[in-house]
Parts: sequence; C-alpha cells; structure tokens
Amino acid sequence: ETGVTQSPTHLIKTRGQQVTLRCSSQSGHNTVSWYQQALGQGPQFIFQYYREEENGRGNFPPRFSGLQFPNYSSELNVNALELDDSALYLCASSPGGGEYNEQFFGPGTRLTVL
Amino acid sequence: QKEVEQDPGPLSVPEGAIVSLNCTYSNSAFQYFMWYRQYSRKGPELLMYTYSSGNKEDGRFTAQVDKSSKYISLFIRDSQPSDSATYLCAMSENGYNNNDMRFGAGTRLTVKP
Repeated sequence: ETGVTQSPTHLIKTRGQQVTLRCSSQSGHNTVSWYQQALGQGPQFIFQYYREEENGRGNFPPRFSGLQFPNYSSELNVNALELDDSALYLCASSPGGGEYNEQFFGPGTRLTVL
Repeated sequence: QKEVEQDPGPLSVPEGAIVSLNCTYSNSAFQYFMWYRQYSRKGPELLMYTYSSGNKEDGRFTAQVDKSSKYISLFIRDSQPSDSATYLCAMSENGYNNNDMRFGAGTRLTVKP
C-alpha cells in the first residue's frame, strides 16, 4: 500500500509568483486536507476536499485555492506569493466512513519565498 | 489567546524517564483529542486519539483528557532515544472528517542515551 506522496520536495519562488503543489492520496482514500506549517509552529488547516468538492476551509485568503481530481489526488495553488507563505505544506488523506477518520500525512513540500 | 496552547520546550530527558507532555485549550466544543509525532523532515503521524474525557493507553503511551479543565496530557513511559521528535497535540469538534483540526505548536523532545 502506497502512502501519501507530495511533490515537489522543495521549491524556491519569489514574491508575487504563483505556485502549484501536488498530493497523491493513499489508496482508497477519498478525502484530502491541506495544512501550512510555519517553522516552529503546528500545522494550520487550509482546506479539505471530499470527492472533488471543497469540504471546509480555514482562515486563509482566496489566493490559496485547490482542486481534487477524480482519482482523489489534489493540488494546492497559491497566487501572489508573499514572504510569509514560506512554510512546509502538508497534505493528509483519510478514508471516509466511520465515526473517526484518521488523517495520514505526506512528508510535505518545503516552500521558500524570497 | 491561542485556541490551543502547548509549551514548545525543548524538553530533554535521559533514556528510561517518564515524559509528560501537555496542552490546554479554550474551545469547549472540542470532542476529539489527538497526539501526533513528527520526526525531522517528515509529516506528522498519529499516535493516539481520544474521544471526550478519559484515559487511553497504547503500549508505553497514555493519553489523558480532562474536559472540565480543558487540559490534555500524553505520558511516555520508559522513553527511548527513538522517541526523540516533536509532539503535536490536536483537537477537533468533528472526528468524522476532521476538517476543523487545531494543532498546538508542538513540543520538541530529546531522549538522551
């Protein structure tokens, strides 16, 4: 069973640019959540996708947008990059169903904005 | 005031020690309480989750939730160098999809041989 994978591993961008991060969910998982983890902080929830529809959003501006594909993989897009967007971006997938759904995290994409 | 408060440490203990990690929170609607472990350059992995108040034990790990005090704890018995990592508490109102998880800042733990 393949776990959650993310690409790229590292990325360097400059202010004002746009970036796309990718996530492949674990086999059989239909829900993907994205988190931003600044250095020395815990992850902050950006948004979640369930069966290609947005299913909840945290306190992030509209320049953070996402997409989920029919195979349940997902993309996070960030427009007009700011220096404060520098962080580890984590993707987590979960299977759906049942009372509690564990989220399985990928290794993250380290984004540096110069 | 942050919704979830966690002492960032760092915490350094000798091998074999009992480790106590704690978080406090302000949102009384939280029902699910999680502890994650995050090794350097890795994503968080779930150690344990607890629903509502009470204790839960899994091997060397024990999680405690006191909703009346809005206080949760993780105890690690017989700590090992391999336990060296950052420990994150997390909470949510909705365990079904956890689309409202709030994390603490994480406590960095080092277990010295």
